[in-house]
Amino acid sequence: DIQMTQSPSTLSASVGDRVTITCRASQSIGPWLAWFQQKPGEAPYLLIYQASNLQNGVPSRFSGSGSGTEFTLTISSLQPDDSATYYCQQYNNYSGYTFGQGTKLEIK
Amino acid sequence: EEQLVESGGGLVKPGGSLRLSCTASGFSFSSYDMHWVRQVAGGGLEWVSGIGHGGDTNHADSVKGRFTISRENAKNSLYLQMNSLRVGDTSVYYCARGVPGGLDVWGQGTTVTVSS
Repeated sequence: DIQMTQSPSTLSASVGDRVTITCRASQSIGPWLAWFQQKPGEAPYLLIYQASNLQNGVPSRFSGSGSGTEFTLTISSLQPDDSATYYCQQYNNYSGYTFGQGTKLEIK
Repeated sequence: EEQLVESGGGLVKPGGSLRLSCTASGFSFSSYDMHWVRQVAGGGLEWVSGIGHGGDTNHADSVKGRFTISRENAKNSLYLQMNSLRVGDTSVYYCARGVPGGLDVWGQGTTVTVSS
């Protein structure tokens, strides 16, 4: 099975900071990676699909990059509303989806 | 508005069964892949099962042989039949719509508790 490893597990940053979260796959997944934001008590919310495509309605300060085994989610200028847990997710045709363990982002 | 609403969660004893439902509205349900994802309280997300718009299915190893995903397009409904439930299956279960490489519409979740 494909394993997804996110880093860091927790992150504390200030409003206006540039923030990067990394996700590594245990084997190549091509571009088939998505990023989600989840706030307490809510369902996950799709931010990025196919590694770098911004979902409709998502602020442009969010961006994604990478392919193969290494991917990043970047928030260019952190806002108070960005406090949440972020998950990466890969899709493999044969084994289904796998999520990373999550990165909890706190605003200082 | 595109919407998914789950139902059918509850308290069940180990070894018991439960059937979850997810009703879709606001989009052409039959055209999309659909999935179930679960989350332990305070924990991470785990993909459970998926069904293609053509009816092909896939399940996580942790539920293979115990859970069955199905759909009824005429009723805009997705189901998850859960048998031989274990304490470790206790989670919030979400249904979600699949698009290439992502899950773009999610329900609010239904809680399943497996306990004696």
